Parts: sequence; structure tokens; C-alpha cells
Amino acid sequence: AQSVTQLDSQVPVFEEAPVELRCNYSSSVSVYLFWYVQYPNQGLQLLLKYLSGSTLVKGINGFEAEFNKSQTSFHLRKPSVHISDTAEYFCAVGTGTASKLTFGTGTRLQVTL
Amino acid sequence: NAGVTQTPKFQVLKTGQSMTLQCAQDMNHNSMYWYRQDPGMGLRLIYYSASEGTTDKGEVPNGYNVSRLNKREFSLRLESAAPSQTSVYFCASSSPGHLSGANVLTFGAGSRLTVL
Repeated sequence: AQSVTQLDSQVPVFEEAPVELRCNYSSSVSVYLFWYVQYPNQGLQLLLKYLSGSTLVKGINGFEAEFNKSQTSFHLRKPSVHISDTAEYFCAVGTGTASKLTFGTGTRLQVTL
Repeated sequence: NAGVTQTPKFQVLKTGQSMTLQCAQDMNHNSMYWYRQDPGMGLRLIYYSASEGTTDKGEVPNGYNVSRLNKREFSLRLESAAPSQTSVYFCASSSPGHLSGANVLTFGAGSRLTVL
């Protein structure tokens, strides 16, 4: 079975500063990795995904993530955040033909002026 | 496009009461899911339906039942609600190809349930 660990429950950051949200996973087989974002009082929506190929994945709103197989990590980064990036971010892992994802506990990104 | 529609958006129940959360998707997706979201716990899978006519337990199925009524609809029922079932419930759907674990989920807006 796979698992996901998001080490930071909350990350406060000033507007225009860079940010990194950390995600580590555990799996005995090859994985597919996702970041979802949840804005206040809304459902989750896909930010980006890694299925195969290039380990650097670009998503919406200027976010990117890098798959590091040796460190079993999939950290999310943005070079300059905006107030509108305030949301909860979830890392998720899927494997092979298993038709369900395992989600991390989420990281709340709070962007202030 | 409506995507995934959940009803009701809010519900307050007393302990022991029953209720059904409804979910419908209009994207012709094969798979549907019910998750619950609790502070500090992330999203946990309650039940899922990989295709019409099949349902399987997820991580936290106790106290819940599901029905895959047709390809579009997947309902979640609480037969005897308990305070521990106070949560935000999300329905999601996806259209699996050969590699189901790579599927992108489309989520509904959520249903906030309070059990007193």
C-alpha cells in the first residue's frame, strides 16, 4: 500500500516570496503523483501531475513540482506567490491499475502582504 | 458544464437519524468516489465505484453504505448518524484508462454534515 506525508501543516509566507510545500511518498511500486488545491469553501482541483517522463512538472498558476525518485519526494514550488494562492494544498499518490488515490493531510498556505 | 454536483450542501442531523448524500456527474465518467475531509486528517476514501454495478470499501467505510444507481449517480447513506461522522464529504469522479492510478479526479463542491 502507498502512503503520503506532507510535513508542514501550515506555511505562512509574504506576498512575492518563494514557497516550497513538501511531499514525501512511500510505495513498493511505481507511482503517479499529483498536487491538488482547495480554495476556501470549494472542492479540490488539479494543480499538476507526474505520470512519467520529465521529472520537472509545470502546473497552473505558475506552480511546478519535481519528482525525485531517490528521495521519494514530490515537492511543490512557486518562485513568487500571490495573495490569491492562499489555499490548502494536497499531495496524492496513485499506483498502477489501482483506481483510487491516497491523499496527504494537506498544507495550508497563507499568503500575507 | 455542471461537472460533479452534490446535494445537500449543508445538513444538521441528530444522533441516530439517517440521511443520504446525493452525487451526480455529467462527464460520462466510469469511476466515482466518496471522501470525507477532517481537520488534520486530509481526505480519506470511504467507498468507491470503479464502474457501474460495482462498489468497494475504502479506508473508512464503517457506518456508511453506498449505491451506484447508474453511471451518473453515486449516493452515500448514513443509516444511524453519529457525532464522529461530522465532516465535510466530497464526491469525485474519474474516467480510468488502462492505468487507473493515473486518473485525474474531478471533485464536487462538498457537503458539510454536522451530527449533534
